[in-house]
Amino acid sequence: TQLLEQSPQFLSIQEGENLTVYCNSSSVFSSLQWYRQEPGEGPVLLVTVVTGGEVKKLKRLTFQFGDARKDSSLHITAAQTGDTGLYLCAADNYGQNFVFGPGTRLSVLP
Amino acid sequence: EAGVVQSPRYKIIEKKQPVAFWCNPISGHNTLYWYLQNLGQGPELLIRYENEEAVDDSQLPKDRFSAERLKGVDSTLKIQPAELGDSAVYLCASSDRAGANVLTFGAGSRLTVL
Repeated sequence: TQLLEQSPQFLSIQEGENLTVYCNSSSVFSSLQWYRQEPGEGPVLLVTVVTGGEVKKLKRLTFQFGDARKDSSLHITAAQTGDTGLYLCAADNYGQNFVFGPGTRLSVLP
Repeated sequence: EAGVVQSPRYKIIEKKQPVAFWCNPISGHNTLYWYLQNLGQGPELLIRYENEEAVDDSQLPKDRFSAERLKGVDSTLKIQPAELGDSAVYLCASSDRAGANVLTFGAGSRLTVL
């Protein structure tokens, strides 16, 4: 069973601060996705990373896929209250299934 | 275009009662997933369909859970009888595996078993 670990589990910061959350596994995956989920809603895709070492930017969010395709990070610059939510990483096991991590719950305080 | 539609959004039942959830995926998406999400946790796969065929149901507790996708479009997930530990959010997602394998989720059905 492939497992994804995410850290930290909880993060509470002030608006304007920077933060990084991590997603790690002992397995290699064909791609990795980051989702954000707000209360009462389903997860919404933020980005897909495929190539080892790949870096993608989405406004203030920077996503990186590890060289060995086993880990990923999400960096948020100058966090805003609208960034509050549950950040989930999900790994695509070569088209067999998606494995989700437990998530990082982010609270950005005004 | 409508997204993934789930109903009901909320359901409260007493233990041992049956419950059913319905999902209508995005038009043209052949792959449909049912996930279970406990509070503060990531989604866990229950069953995956390719068209009308269940291709991965290894995590579905078959003694009380059942699912169907008869015409390869919408799907129903049933629990009978429900137990207290079944309280969770049941998420449906669909994907078009012909392109980038991206999941589009519905808003979920929140089940509370009393």
